[in-house]
Amino acid sequence: AQSVAQPEDQVNVAEGNPLTVKCTYSVSGNPYLFWYVQYPNRGLQFLLKYITGDNLVKGSYGFEAEFNKSQTSFHLKKPSALVSDSALYFCAVRDISADRGSTLGRLYFGRGTQLTVWP
Amino acid sequence: NAGVTQTPKFQVLKTGQSMTLQCAQDMNHEYMSWYRQDPGMGLRLIHYSVGAGITDQGEVPNGYNVSRSTTEDFPLRLLSAAPSQTSVYFCASSSGQGSQPQHFGDGTRLSIL
Repeated sequence: AQSVAQPEDQVNVAEGNPLTVKCTYSVSGNPYLFWYVQYPNRGLQFLLKYITGDNLVKGSYGFEAEFNKSQTSFHLKKPSALVSDSALYFCAVRDISADRGSTLGRLYFGRGTQLTVWP
Repeated sequence: NAGVTQTPKFQVLKTGQSMTLQCAQDMNHEYMSWYRQDPGMGLRLIHYSVGAGITDQGEVPNGYNVSRSTTEDFPLRLLSAAPSQTSVYFCASSSGQGSQPQHFGDGTRLSIL
């Protein structure tokens, strides 16, 4: 069964410090992995994705994520946090082995991690 | 760029009423989906569509209907509203390639009294 776990409901960091938001996944085939951010009263916005190739992917707003196949993890990182990074972050996985022959596959979301950056 | 447009943004219903949440995208995306977001539950897939005329159930489809008569539109119908359907509903779309991210609307906040 496909699933995504975000083990921390909340992450608090001081501005200027590095931040990490954790994500682990479980899929039967090869994964496509995504991170999204949600600001209050808004929809989810795409941050970055891992499809193949380099395990370290860079995305919007200075965020990056590291794909670790052996640990089935895809942690989101940023070297220096900003107060404006405070938001709800979602990890998602798409299983390429996919539904009923479709190449699209369903997207499975974690429950989200609330990031708060203190000034 | 309109992207994914959801209407209405807010709605209050009485138990037993029906209504349709509208979703339209202008990116010619094949894949569209509806999610509900509840505190501590993340996003749960209600229904999805891989193209016009094709729909399928997600993990929480009961009490909801969908149709996809055009590529652009993917309305979600609540047949007989119940308080348990109080939630924030998001529509999303993506291209036919699984490597592409989903684009989300800003949501419809629905309260059932």
